[in-house]
Amino acid sequence: DIQMTQSPSSLSASVGDRVTITCRASQSIAHFLNWYYQKPGKAPKLLIYAASNLQSGVPSRFSGSGSGTDFTLTVSSLQPEDSATYYCQQSYGALFTFGPGTKVNIK
Amino acid sequence: EVQLVESGGGLVQPGGSLRLSCAASGFTLGDYWMHWVRQAPGKGPVWVSGVNHDGTDIRYADSVKGRVTISRDNTKNTLYLQMDSLRAEDTAVYYCTRGSVSGRLDYWGQGTLVTVSS
Repeated sequence: DIQMTQSPSSLSASVGDRVTITCRASQSIAHFLNWYYQKPGKAPKLLIYAASNLQSGVPSRFSGSGSGTDFTLTVSSLQPEDSATYYCQQSYGALFTFGPGTKVNIK
Repeated sequence: EVQLVESGGGLVQPGGSLRLSCAASGFTLGDYWMHWVRQAPGKGPVWVSGVNHDGTDIRYADSVKGRVTISRDNTKNTLYLQMDSLRAEDTAVYYCTRGSVSGRLDYWGQGTLVTVSS
C-alpha cells in the first residue's frame, strides 16, 4: 500500500501569513493527490484535486503543486476561517490512503 | 444539489453486525464510483472500501477485508456497507463519499457513528 506523510503535524500562524503544508508519498503517484480540510464535527471537504486543481467554490488563496512523491498545499494569505485540519489523499493506487493531517491554528 | 445521507449506525457488541446505508440524491448514482471512509474519534480519515459504477470492481482496505461487504443499488440510489465480526477498533464515524475523476472524493455525507462496545 502507498503510505502518505505530512509535515508539519500542526502549525500556528497569523492572519495574512503565507502557509505551506507538505505531503509525501511512499512511491510515485504522478499527480493523483487531493487535499481536504476538516473542521471539528464536520465531514472533510475537497480543496484541491489532481495536485493543483482548485475545487469549485474554494477561494483562490488556496493552491497546490507537486508531482511524483512530493506535494505542497499553500494558503497565500491565511484567514480566520482557515483554522482546520488539512489532509492529503492519494488516488493513484487501487486502495486510497490519507495522510495523518496538519492542524492549522490561528494565532 | 448533491446530497449523501448515511444511516444505520449505532451501538453494537463485539462480534456483531451492522448494515450502513447511504441515500444519494441530486445526481445519477450509476455514473460514479462510491466509497466509504471512516474516522475514529480524534483520528484522521481512513478509506474503507470503494465500488465502481456497476458493482463489478470492488476494493477493500486490508483492515476490513473479509469482514465488510460494499454494495450498491443504482435503481434505489443507495450505497450499502455490510459490516460483520465487528471489533472495538471499528468504532468510528462512517462517511459515504462520491468518487469523481482522478479519484477525488468530491461530496461527503454527514456521517453515521458506529460504536462497538460491550
